[in-house]
Amino acid sequence: KQEVTQIPAALSVPEGENLVLNCSFTDSAIYNLQWFRQDPGKGLTSLLLIQSSQREQTSGRLNASLDKSSGRSTLYIAASQPGDSATYLCAVRGNTDKLIFGTGTRLQVFP
Amino acid sequence: GAVVSQHPSWVICKSGTSVKIECRSLDFQATTMFWYRQFPKQSLMLMATSNEGSKATYEQGVEKDKFLINHASLTLSTLTVTSAHPEDSSFYICSARREGGWRETQYFGPGTRLLVL
Repeated sequence: KQEVTQIPAALSVPEGENLVLNCSFTDSAIYNLQWFRQDPGKGLTSLLLIQSSQREQTSGRLNASLDKSSGRSTLYIAASQPGDSATYLCAVRGNTDKLIFGTGTRLQVFP
Repeated sequence: GAVVSQHPSWVICKSGTSVKIECRSLDFQATTMFWYRQFPKQSLMLMATSNEGSKATYEQGVEKDKFLINHASLTLSTLTVTSAHPEDSSFYICSARREGGWRETQYFGPGTRLLVL
């Protein structure tokens, strides 16, 4: 059974810092991995999608890497801003249709 | 971009009543929709996978007679919480899967917050 864990569970940093959020999964036979952002009481916004054959994806200040063999992904946020405050979720898709979500990292960026 | 809507965005009901939540893909066709439940400060847990024109597939531990799912068209899936109880209070999120080759992904609705008194 696939299990997805995210570390740290919560993070509070001053504005401007570069951040690394970690995601690990137990079954390396994944189809793709996705990072999402969730604001309090809201739905999910997809940030980056990495196919199993890819090593990384970039979008603006965000960079996600994938090391499938070791079951790890990282989300790098450059020059963090207060508007980045949210919960970040990673999710993996195996050979089924199902997305298995991680436990999330609650990020707070203060001015 | 692909848009998924949910209605209502929040609902408060008395224990024992049934509540219907709609999920619509607004600008694309979704042969598959997913229903998730999220309790406070927890991650999303998949409840069921809804396929257009066929019966939904429920995850282990999810009562199919309590959470009725209907996916009658390529743009609409509904989740009905029957005889709701306080423990059903949660944040329900739907997702629609857009078929597009290897870049396929799921688009999520804004969620429906259910409070059962």
